[in-house]
Amino acid sequence: GAGVSQSPSNKVTEKGKDVELRCDPISGHTALYWYRQSLGQGLEFLIYFQGNSAPDKSGLPSDRFSAERTGGSVSTLTIQRTQQEDSAVYLCASSLNPYSYQETQYFGPGTRLLVL
Amino acid sequence: SQKIEQNSEALNIQEGKTATLTCNYTNYSPAYLQWYRQDPGRGPVFLLLIRENEKEKRKERLKVTFDTTLKQSLFHITASQPADSATYLCALVTGGGNKLTFGTGTQLKVEL
Repeated sequence: GAGVSQSPSNKVTEKGKDVELRCDPISGHTALYWYRQSLGQGLEFLIYFQGNSAPDKSGLPSDRFSAERTGGSVSTLTIQRTQQEDSAVYLCASSLNPYSYQETQYFGPGTRLLVL
Repeated sequence: SQKIEQNSEALNIQEGKTATLTCNYTNYSPAYLQWYRQDPGRGPVFLLLIRENEKEKRKERLKVTFDTTLKQSLFHITASQPADSATYLCALVTGGGNKLTFGTGTQLKVEL
């Protein structure tokens, strides 16, 4: 079926506003990841969901960042009180079986966030 | 600290030549390493995975080597084409659930 989709594709917001970014993983994929890619930087891991397990939030840069995954499918990344340093591309990925070392991650096109 | 390094300078090569990209890491002992391709405005796309006990892996014009002693992986594209122009990222599994840590990527440009 369709690949990983993300919305919006672009988001411009003012400093201090909250934003919500959405990710629709590939149907049937149990694992979902959020990454951030800043200009000239590599992808930075943010958070990982697997089934009904507690998410791995070890990459979230501050408590302004949070994420949910409802019904084991769609995920929303929320950034509260946005700062200019939050400007980046936010990428979502999903995988079928994260416990198989051969499993790869399938990435969405990303949401480009610009905080003015 | 843990680090994954890739050549930050862009690599420009002529069509038909072999492109070689380098990925070096420190303070990791990854069980396997992955290479991804990323085009402008798009998410990364998986290319190849190599395990720690594999010295070399091939897929069509692509070849990856993995030297756990040197802590280095080399990514080769033979008979390169302009369509191979992109940024190439290496990634290590650094946590449970296949959590990946990525290098900063190397931009490859294949010229006619």
